Amino acid sequence: DSGVTQTPKHLITATGQRVTLRCSPRSGDLSVYWYQQSLDQGLQFLIQYYNGEERAKGNILERFSAQQFPDLHSELNLSSLELGDSALYFCASSVAVGTEAFFGQGTRLTVV
Amino acid sequence: GESVGLHLPTLSVQEGDNSIINCAYSNSASDYFIWYKQESGKGPQFIIDIRSNMDKRQGQRVTVLLNKTVKHLSLQIAATQPGDSAVYFCADETGANNLFFGTGTRLTVIP
Repeated sequence: DSGVTQTPKHLITATGQRVTLRCSPRSGDLSVYWYQQSLDQGLQFLIQYYNGEERAKGNILERFSAQQFPDLHSELNLSSLELGDSALYFCASSVAVGTEAFFGQGTRLTVV
Repeated sequence: GESVGLHLPTLSVQEGDNSIINCAYSNSASDYFIWYKQESGKGPQFIIDIRSNMDKRQGQRVTVLLNKTVKHLSLQIAATQPGDSAVYFCADETGANNLFFGTGTRLTVIP
């Protein structure tokens, strides 16, 4: 158990819908990362937050947005969902920049 | 932009042999690298890391080598076991405070 909690574990939704994925980082970790992993693909970095502020952006679509709350948990919002958005979405957290990141078990999103 | 890539997408080794997984990076300013292991249906798990002021770092049955001249790092697994079968990713701390992953190498251990 990495200490990073992601909910829900599985999510099935229809095209055009909007979903919110939640991540609770390890206690004490200030940095949160979001990744997308399509079937048999590598991890695609989406976005990073540090202590509530956006720190870095990767290949995140405009339909996607995220935030980190004062209690340090983070949410990834995916809207106008398309079939191609079906993937595993991982959250990771670390104490600070340049330290080991711990990953959650992921949320498997299926868009039908 | 920065990129981290793996030389081989798949690797099959006999149980008990040593495994070597390679990774190339393009950002000469990168100063922190991590190897992760991802088993099927699970999140990536930290294996070992190395900072740019080192050439080599050893863990339990794993060694990471860093060659800054050619921007290459490798993960060596000694006496590979069936439990080592997984996808291995290298991650690059670019200095922009984020981690970038290569496509990964799938390691299959043949009993």
